[in-house]
Amino acid sequence: GAGVSQSPSNKVTEKGKDVELRCDPISGHTALYWYRQSLGQGLEFLIYFQGNSAPDKSGLPSDRFSAERTGGSVSTLTIQRTQQEDSAVYLCASSYTHSNQPQHFGDGTRLSIL
Amino acid sequence: AQSVTQLGSHVSVSEGALVLLRCNYSSSVPPYLFWYVQYPNQGLQLLLKYTSAATLVKGINGFEAEFKKSETSFHLTKPSAHMSDAAEYFCAVSGNTGFQKLVFGTGTRLLVSP
Repeated sequence: GAGVSQSPSNKVTEKGKDVELRCDPISGHTALYWYRQSLGQGLEFLIYFQGNSAPDKSGLPSDRFSAERTGGSVSTLTIQRTQQEDSAVYLCASSYTHSNQPQHFGDGTRLSIL
Repeated sequence: AQSVTQLGSHVSVSEGALVLLRCNYSSSVPPYLFWYVQYPNQGLQLLLKYTSAATLVKGINGFEAEFKKSETSFHLTKPSAHMSDAAEYFCAVSGNTGFQKLVFGTGTRLLVSP
């Protein structure tokens, strides 16, 4: 497809379980970003990738959160030992190289922790 | 450090009326500024961007915004509201070099009545 693809679109899991969220960026986009959208905190930056490396991980809220990107394409955000406060919509975005190129967003994964 | 303030969590207009959504920014470096729109259960769609070229920026769906450095503002306007404009609108700021995360405002929900 032409846009950023995220899966699953919805995920419900029990507290304490691990979850993996996937992002497939637009072909040719070297930059990939993860954001989190929650009622209490709004839209927050989590991490970004340039190619397969992550120069800025400053937004990851705890060491339970990690992300990787392989082949300069697909990225996976992993949350270990999920907590109820992890419930949110996780948005992925991708863009071309420079910051004047806009970020294109996927529809997000809605994560609910029971 | 960068931040964005959006005045008014909700704005109500009648169909055909002027739309004005306010955004003020703070940035220690020359900023890039963006307006995104979010429809229910969807990701963010770029409306327009300011990247240090023309200060009056025209976007999609008849929206435009003017960058005013003296007022540190980037307000979004549309001359005549349409029912389909009802959505949540986010203003965002980033730096202007390399890869830059977006820092978002808290959003403004636009309500359009017939």
